[in-house]
Amino acid sequence: QKEVEQDPGPLSVPEGAIVSLNCTYSNSAFQYFMWYRQYSRKGPELLMYTYSSGNKEDGRFTAQVDKSSKYISLFIRDSQPSDSATYLCAIPPNAGGTSYGKLTFGQGTILTVHP
Amino acid sequence: DTAVSQTPKYLVTQMGNDKSIKCEQNLGHDTMYWYKQDSKKFLKIMFSYNNKELIINETVPNRFSPKSPDKAHLNLHINSLELGDSAVYFCASSQPRGRKFFGPGTRLTVL
Repeated sequence: QKEVEQDPGPLSVPEGAIVSLNCTYSNSAFQYFMWYRQYSRKGPELLMYTYSSGNKEDGRFTAQVDKSSKYISLFIRDSQPSDSATYLCAIPPNAGGTSYGKLTFGQGTILTVHP
Repeated sequence: DTAVSQTPKYLVTQMGNDKSIKCEQNLGHDTMYWYKQDSKKFLKIMFSYNNKELIINETVPNRFSPKSPDKAHLNLHINSLELGDSAVYFCASSQPRGRKFFGPGTRLTVL
């Protein structure tokens, strides 16, 4: 079983839709959870970062962690064509943080928001 | 100003050749990384250097040799290129417990 699993999609939605992107992970010791966004032909960039369980909101984006189910989600409200990208969940292996940054990435979900 | 830069952006070469990819960061970070992203978008760490010292060396063929001449640079040399080496290679940097910044990627195609 992979440490982090993510449905690769692709996912195609109309503008204005609510998008739900999800990952599951295997190690219950994980405490930090990240979402990266990668535009076509670009490097990934950190979108959101959460610690432990609960929700974190940033504008139209909400990151949610359910440690009991080992499930993390990213919700995008009022999706825009500019949100079209690959979204990758990422988890550092050490419970204490991102030291030396051996992030384990999910496979990435390709999202297209069409006008 | 580009924070993490890589050269070249595209690299097309024949099997068996040796090639290098260069990476530079101007963020003052202590830690640099090489990641490989395959055709299915799966991104996996290859190497990590902290203050020019190798910290992480994943199960990567020894045809891949990273070199860090100073904290701001981490180059990747690949010997005897194989078809399976075709991928996008990303350089990244961070402080040891900090957010990663990725370069734009080098798209390597081995024919």
